[in-house]
This record gives sequence, structure tokens and C-alpha cells, in this order.
Amino acid sequence: KNEVEQSPQNLTAQEGEFITINCSYSVGISALHWLQQHPGGGIVSLFMLSSGKKKHGRLIATINIQEKHSSLHITASHPRDSAVYICAVRSDRGSTLGRLYFGRGTQLTVWP
Amino acid sequence: NAGVTQTPKFRILKIGQSMTLQCTQDMNHNYMYWYRQDPGMGLKLIYYSVGAGITDKGEVPNGYNVSRSTTEDFPLRLELAAPSQTSVYFCASRPPTGYPAHNEQFFGPGTRLTVL
Repeated sequence: KNEVEQSPQNLTAQEGEFITINCSYSVGISALHWLQQHPGGGIVSLFMLSSGKKKHGRLIATINIQEKHSSLHITASHPRDSAVYICAVRSDRGSTLGRLYFGRGTQLTVWP
Repeated sequence: NAGVTQTPKFRILKIGQSMTLQCTQDMNHNYMYWYRQDPGMGLKLIYYSVGAGITDKGEVPNGYNVSRSTTEDFPLRLELAAPSQTSVYFCASRPPTGYPAHNEQFFGPGTRLTVL
């Protein structure tokens, strides 16, 4: 079983729709990251969260530590948001302290 | 700053051949990582380094070797390429603890490797 599970695996939306991607994890963490991977393959960091909520433009990320769950929301989606969104958690366990565990990613396609 | 650079971008190897994937960062980061990304799977850690001269195994180290002789460079060596090593390889780096963005990893553009 993967330490990090994302849903859905694939998501198709019409431009302007509100998007939610979910991430659940099963290990103790010190932080959770949301990453974006574009078709060219490059990976960039969107957010790092250890509690609460963060907002950057049309992107909002939330985390519930008690429920071991995070969501990434995109408001007013646009075709340029089409990418793979990856959830990763930073372990707080002694033997793997600081190591990142990655979800399989959610492929988002936004049609005009 | 160029950030994290990787070479080559693409490579096709025959079974049994060897090669080195290069990774360089110019941000003076002490932490460096090698990951592989297989289709439909999350990134898996191959090896990591906490500073020059110090390396350690990750989740999937078999078939690979690394070295870290300088802060900037962290090459990944495949000695006897196998089809199971067909993947996209990402190098990443992170600042020292206590520095700004010390919890954020900066990724290179990736190397797509095919072993036939």
C-alpha cells in the first residue's frame, strides 16, 4: 500500500469549473507538498503545508492533520492548468526523517 | 542561477551498457536526491546525499551507484543497464535546515532513459 493516495487519478473539466484534487496519507508527517508537473516533464512546487490553508492566485491548498487529508482546489480553471498534480509528504519518522513520499499524481485536463 | 540541471535529456541504452546521469545545482544546497518516475507511479527515491562525501540509499537503490565529491554535483551511475531501469530520472536539491525554503525541493528537468 502506498503511503500517499490521490484521487481522482484522471480529471477532465471545462474551462471555468472549480476543481478539487484529494490526497490522503498514512504516515506521520512534518509537511505536505503539492507539486505540478507539466507535459514537458518539469516539476515545480506549488505549496508546502503543515497546517491550515494556503492560497496562491486561483489555487488553494488545505490540510487536516487529524484526518491525514489534504485537498488542492483550483478556482476558475483554465486550459493552462492542464498538468499532473502530485501530492508528497515529508516523513517525521526517525529512520526516514525528512524523506518525501509521493502520490501517483492526478492528470488534469481542462478544455476550452 | 541555473537551478538544478540534468544531462542528458534523453538516452537509449542497450542491455548491459553503463552510463552516468549528471546532476548539478548552483544554489549551494547541501541536500541532493535522485528519484525515478515510472508510468502511473509516484516518484521513488533512489539515493540521496546530505553533503559532499555523504550518500545513502533510498527506497530503490539496486542497480545504481552515486558519488558526491562536491557540493554542486551528484552523478547517478548505472553499471549494467536492464529494461527495468527504463524510467524518467529526476534530480532534486534542498537548502540546509534553517535556510529560507529549507523544506522545499527544487527539481531538475529530468532524464528520460530507455533500456532495450
